[in-house]
Amino acid sequence: AQSVAQPEDQVNVAEGNPLTVKCTYSVSGNPYLFWYVQYPNRGLQFLLKYITGDNLVKGSYGFEAEFNKSQTSFHLKKPSALVSDSALYFCAVRAYGGATNKLIFGTGTLLAVQP
Amino acid sequence: NAGVTQTPKFRVLKTGQSMTLLCAQDMNHEYMYWYRQDPGMGLRLIHYSVGEGTTAKGEVPDGYNVSRLKKQNFLLGLESAAPSQTSVYFCASSARGGANVLTFGAGSRLTVL
Repeated sequence: AQSVAQPEDQVNVAEGNPLTVKCTYSVSGNPYLFWYVQYPNRGLQFLLKYITGDNLVKGSYGFEAEFNKSQTSFHLKKPSALVSDSALYFCAVRAYGGATNKLIFGTGTLLAVQP
Repeated sequence: NAGVTQTPKFRVLKTGQSMTLLCAQDMNHEYMYWYRQDPGMGLRLIHYSVGEGTTAKGEVPDGYNVSRLKKQNFLLGLESAAPSQTSVYFCASSARGGANVLTFGAGSRLTVL
């Protein structure tokens, strides 16, 4: 079965420190991987995606993610956290099969950045 | 540049009542989706559509029906609401193709008493 796991419900980091939000996946074939962010009482917003090519993907707001095929991981990173980065982060993978690009989402990780 | 618009934003129902959530997109996207978001469970796909006049079941379709009579609209119906359907519902749309990004609406919070 295809799935996405975000092992941490919450990540706490001090402003200015680097942050990592973890994601691992299980999918048949080559994955399409995505990160979305959700601010309170808002819909999800796209951050970045990996389709093919360079394993390090850069996205919005200074975020980046590294695709690691051997570890089936796609961790989200940022060199220096901001208080405004505090939000709920979702990793997602495209499910193979069918004529659609429906996504399977992880359970989400709450990022709390302390001033 | 409205993107994806959901109505209503909030609704309280009694068990057994019916209602319809409306999703409208102005990006000419082929694909549309309805997800529900519950604490600790992430987003789960209810139904989706790959084009006008077509719909398909997602991960958790029971208790819901959908229709896509016009390309820009995707309706989610609850015929007989149950407390287990208390949730936040998100509509999303995307262009055709696996690498394309989903654009989400702001969500509709439904409480079933």
